[in-house]
Amino acid sequence: GESVGLHLPTLSVQEGDNSIINCAYSNSASDYFIWYKQESGKGPQFIIDIRSNMDKRQGQRVTVLLNKTVKHLSLQIAATQPGDSAVYFCAEIVPFDYKLSFGAGTTVTVRA
Amino acid sequence: DSGVTQTPKHLITATGQRVTLRCSPRSGDLSVYWYQQSLDQGLQFLIQYYNGEERAKGNILERFSAQQFPDLHSELNLSSLELGDSALYFCASSVGMGGSYEQYFGPGTRLTVT
Repeated sequence: GESVGLHLPTLSVQEGDNSIINCAYSNSASDYFIWYKQESGKGPQFIIDIRSNMDKRQGQRVTVLLNKTVKHLSLQIAATQPGDSAVYFCAEIVPFDYKLSFGAGTTVTVRA
Repeated sequence: DSGVTQTPKHLITATGQRVTLRCSPRSGDLSVYWYQQSLDQGLQFLIQYYNGEERAKGNILERFSAQQFPDLHSELNLSSLELGDSALYFCASSVGMGGSYEQYFGPGTRLTVT
């Protein structure tokens, strides 16, 4: 599978391989984290979330890992498909706050 | 389709002008959020309303204002427009007020200031 240790703005992955997208969040007080997918010409779409009392959460073909020690979040996509081509954002929320603070985003391109 | 609608889809206007962006939240959602997405700043939170009242403010310029009406739709007013205001403006809605409620995003309004 394709993976990166640090956040990179772009990721190219072969169809069928696993993808790993990384995100370093900024606020150690953040207790809720969300991954969003944004396809061209559309608004961000919720993929999966995780609370700070968890290290891992799995969805359909996606897994989010949280490492609070180093303030790092990752999104793993299994068996990447052409429809997974999009920009992926992580977002964080601090307790008693309402707004999402978004990371820089990673553009994922799936090669056939 | 998230259920959040935004109009217009595209808007082209000149510097110094004023525009109004409109958002209708999902049925049943009481919270509306406005975000700005530009190439250099990424996605930035502007302001949030809950059931007609302002609840949180982010990096919103004084030239910008918003309101939420009794029918829960919201409008974002941008005045004295500058070239740097060119961006995608997204509205999102959620059922509750707290940040842990899932936010559903609309398709956005692309504003171009010339």
